[in-house]
Amino acid sequence: GAGVSQSPSNKVTEKGKDVELRCDPISGHTALYWYRQSLGQGLEFLIYFQGNSAPDKSGLPSDRFSAERTGGSVSTLTIQRTQQEDSAVYLCASSLVWGQPQHFGDGTRLSIL
Amino acid sequence: TQLLEQSPQFLSIQEGENLTVYCNSSSVFSSLQWYRQEPGEGPVLLVTVVTGGEVKKLKRLTFQFGDARKDSSLHITAAQPGDTGLYLCAGEGNSGGSNYKLTFGKGTLLTVNP
Repeated sequence: GAGVSQSPSNKVTEKGKDVELRCDPISGHTALYWYRQSLGQGLEFLIYFQGNSAPDKSGLPSDRFSAERTGGSVSTLTIQRTQQEDSAVYLCASSLVWGQPQHFGDGTRLSIL
Repeated sequence: TQLLEQSPQFLSIQEGENLTVYCNSSSVFSSLQWYRQEPGEGPVLLVTVVTGGEVKKLKRLTFQFGDARKDSSLHITAAQPGDTGLYLCAGEGNSGGSNYKLTFGKGTLLTVNP
């Protein structure tokens, strides 16, 4: 597609449930990033994928968070046993390679009841 | 940990006024980027500044990177309602191996009233 596509655009779920967020990067982009944007907190780096290299998971806030990238394209961010503090907008970005400008999707707004 | 402080956090002005947004850090960045984000959308890159002292202009927007590459400013001349949005600065790391990580400021929410 022309841009980074994220789904769903909105997700409301109950505390304790698992959620999966999907990111479809720009075709041909080898680098993919996940960020979390909480109200008044700016963007927080979560995880980074570059080609077939091992991902940098240093930004994941707890072991309830995981992400994978299949076939070097689509990525899924999974949050297990969701907590209310997980409520935020989750943004995905991709770039041609690391160091090149990042292009962002419109995010998934996650609300935990 | 590299931190970026943005100021002001909120800014509400009248159409036609000028404004400046600041982005400051105690850390050195290899480059600094400015983004604009509208409600319900992802950030959109406006400019990247790389060289200390660099000044870039984008129509009515002027971006400056500090000589020491620790701070930056965004100046908007004759603001228009279409400039309304969240302005974010982001620094690219200066430590080898982690240069892909962007450190974001918390943003400046600008409202330009007609």
